[in-house]
Parts: sequence; structure tokens; C-alpha cells
Amino acid sequence: AQRVTQPEKLLSVFKGAPVELKCNYSYSGSPELFWYVQYSRQRLQLLLRHISRESIKGFTADLNKGETSFHLKKPFAQEEDSAMYYCALSGYNTDKLIFGTGTRLQVFP
Amino acid sequence: DAGVIQSPRHEVTEMGQEVTLRCKPISGHNSLFWYRQTMMRGLELLIYFNNNVPIDDSGMPEDRFSAKMPNASFSTLKIQPSEPRDSAVYFCASSRTGGVNTEAFFGQGTRLTVV
Repeated sequence: AQRVTQPEKLLSVFKGAPVELKCNYSYSGSPELFWYVQYSRQRLQLLLRHISRESIKGFTADLNKGETSFHLKKPFAQEEDSAMYYCALSGYNTDKLIFGTGTRLQVFP
Repeated sequence: DAGVIQSPRHEVTEMGQEVTLRCKPISGHNSLFWYRQTMMRGLELLIYFNNNVPIDDSGMPEDRFSAKMPNASFSTLKIQPSEPRDSAVYFCASSRTGGVNTEAFFGQGTRLTVV
């Protein structure tokens, strides 16, 4: 079965502090992992996906198949990073896209 | 393209009434998803379609919920009869899938309040 777990509902940090939003998954096939972000009053949108291996807005995420994790990291948080972050899972042989419960990131000045 | 379009943006209805939510996916996308967002459960997948065919409706909470996709450019999610616990934000998303999955694009959501 597909499952995504985001253990933290809320993560609060000060500007300039490092950030790590945790995501663990369960999937028997070849997984595709994503991070989506929802800024206040905006649509949910893709932040990054593991196959791209790129940094977006300073965020990176590495797929660790051994630990079944896809944690989102940023070395220095900015106030504009405050948003709701969702980890999402699909698979190479399935179109089904499921999300975790989300983590709200608050970055204080 | 205007993106995924959902209507209405807000819906307030009385318990027991029928509610219909509408979605127009992005042209050329072959997968369509309906999600429900709540504080407690986050984004729950209710049902998804591929090439207008329902593939997985295991997330549909009860028989009160039904979804259709009569053609590639339109889908509906219906709740009948509605209950207060159905109050949530309902999102529709579409993507072009097959093999390596591409980005899912979301609508702005319908905020449903059942009183």
C-alpha cells in the first residue's frame, strides 16, 4: 500500500536557521517522491521532485530508499518560506498520487 | 491556459442538501484527481480518473459521495445528502501521466460548509 507520513504538523524556526521537514513513505514498487507547497491564498504547487535532483528556492530533498525517507531541507530559512508543505508519493507504474498530512512551516523574523 | 478551474469557490449548504462540485482540468491532461483537505487529515485522495475512467475510488468516504468524468474537460464530485462533517476544502488536480509522472496542477479549491 502507498502511504506518506509527515510526523510534524508544525515547525517553527527563526529566520536564518536550518530547516528540515520530515517525510517517510511506504511503497512496494519504484517510488516517485515530490514536495508540494501551499503559500497563503495561493494554489498548491510543485516545489520539487526527486528525479530532478535540483534545488528550488534553496530547498533540496534526497530520496533515501534504505530509510524510505524524502526529507526537505534548507540551510537558511527565510520569512517567505512560511507555508504549508506536503510530501507526495506516486510510482513509476501507477498514476495514483497521494499526500501526507502536511507540515506548516513558520519562519519568524 | 487558465489552469485547473473549479466552481464554485465557496459553497454553504444545509445538512441533507445535495452538493455538486465542478472541475475543468487543463487541456491535454489525462489524469484527474479529487482531494479533500482538512486540518486533521491533510490532503486525502478521494478518487482519480485516467482517460476519463475512474481508476481508484477507495478514498471515497461513503456512498453519499460520487464522482463522474463524462469527458476529458469536465468532472463533478457530488455529495448527497451532505452532512456537517463533509465541511472541508475540496481540490481538483490534473496531470499528464504515464511512465514518469509529471507535475499535478491544482485548482483553487472549493470551500464547502455544511450547516
